[in-house]
Amino acid sequence: EVQLVQSGTEVKKPGESLKISCKGSGYNFHDYGIGWVRQMPGKGLEWMGIIYPGDSETSYSPSFQGQVTISADKSVTTAYLQWSSLKASDSAMYYCARRYRIVGPQQSSYYFEHWGQGTLVTVSS
Amino acid sequence: QPVLTQPPSSSASPGESARLTCTLPSDINIGNYNIYWYQQKPGSPPRYLLYYYSDLDKGQGSGVPSRFSGSKDASANTGILLISGLQSEDEGDYYCMIWTTNAVLFGGGTKLTAL
Repeated sequence: EVQLVQSGTEVKKPGESLKISCKGSGYNFHDYGIGWVRQMPGKGLEWMGIIYPGDSETSYSPSFQGQVTISADKSVTTAYLQWSSLKASDSAMYYCARRYRIVGPQQSSYYFEHWGQGTLVTVSS
Repeated sequence: QPVLTQPPSSSASPGESARLTCTLPSDINIGNYNIYWYQQKPGSPPRYLLYYYSDLDKGQGSGVPSRFSGSKDASANTGILLISGLQSEDEGDYYCMIWTTNAVLFGGGTKLTAL
């Protein structure tokens, strides 16, 4: 069974650093991209970026480029999302999700099939 | 501001059909993409429902009832999620998504209420 298990709730102060995790199991971790999605309180889903653990290649949404760093450690089948200096506006629920390729009769594409349970990050002085 | 436009809210009576829309900007041709739909309930991560490219190329998520279906209105550059025989358990937030070469784009979500 594919599972993505995220680290627990975080309460931090502005300016602090943070690294949250997403541990994959039940599949070959290096074969599937792991994306990160932000959901601010009462708001919608925002794609932040993705990492491909096989070669550690990353791609970021322009909205998050330079604001966060996505990484992965294949040896522990875990992806990470980190901040070097948190802001109050980083308070949100963060989800990791596994990319899956769908090959149909006319088109092939990708989507997020399996999701972690979410990590709530609160940044407050 | 989300790139894909969804009405903030929608409602229908149990047993009726609910039609949720997702409009792409004019510079993204819906004909070139799968439209993915997700359902999210309070306190839970999104759940994949289905994708729609065409009537010949579509797919249902695991365990998703057949009363959830997708379509497109190419003339309006819009993806559609149709929920037939609405049930109270279908209440929640619904998001559309497309995966482009360079980015993953979500709609702002529609809150569906069963009256």
